[in-house]
Amino acid sequence: AQTVTQSQPEMSVQEAETVTLSCTYDTSENNYYLFWYKQPPSRQMILVIRQEAYKQQNATENRFSVNFQKAAKSFSLKISDSQLGDTAMYFCAFEETSGSRLTFGEGTQLTVNP
Amino acid sequence: NAGVTQTPKFRILKIGQSMTLQCTQDMNHNYMYWYRQDPGMGLKLIYYSVGAGITDKGEVPNGYNVSRSTTEDFPLRLELAAPSQTSVYFCASSLTFRTSGETQYFGPGTRLLVL
Repeated sequence: AQTVTQSQPEMSVQEAETVTLSCTYDTSENNYYLFWYKQPPSRQMILVIRQEAYKQQNATENRFSVNFQKAAKSFSLKISDSQLGDTAMYFCAFEETSGSRLTFGEGTQLTVNP
Repeated sequence: NAGVTQTPKFRILKIGQSMTLQCTQDMNHNYMYWYRQDPGMGLKLIYYSVGAGITDKGEVPNGYNVSRSTTEDFPLRLELAAPSQTSVYFCASSLTFRTSGETQYFGPGTRLLVL
């Protein structure tokens, strides 16, 4: 079974600075998808960024980028120029290509301080 | 498009009571899902459906039932509520498994408290 581990329960960063959230996963699959979701206090789950395992290039979405290390099974999220609105719980998630079932990590609570 | 909508937003149940959590999507998605999120935890899949009339169990199906009579609706039924079912419930949908990696769209969640 696939597992996803986020080892940082809480993190904080000053506004305008850069922060990196860690995620590791375990799978025997070769092709899969990885995601970062954001859950603000409103509790809505919002997709931040997606990475396809067969692509070597790291995904980027504006201020959000990932460092995908397939051999190490690591998938970290970098947030540049942090904004107060980035304060949220961030979940790393894994999806095998044979289906459409997401496995989530435990989450990292990120607080951006003014 | 309203996306994925869930009702109610919050509910308190007594032990042994029953209720149905409603979920509707207007994106014509084939796949729909129910997750639960316990405090400080990630989401766990309860049930999912690949299309009208087809449902299957996820990781934590015990104590729940689902049905999928239409593409739009995917209600989750709790028959005998227990305190262990206190959680936040999220419904989600996606287009189709053939485009695996397709974004899942989440509803706003239903907070359930069983006392």
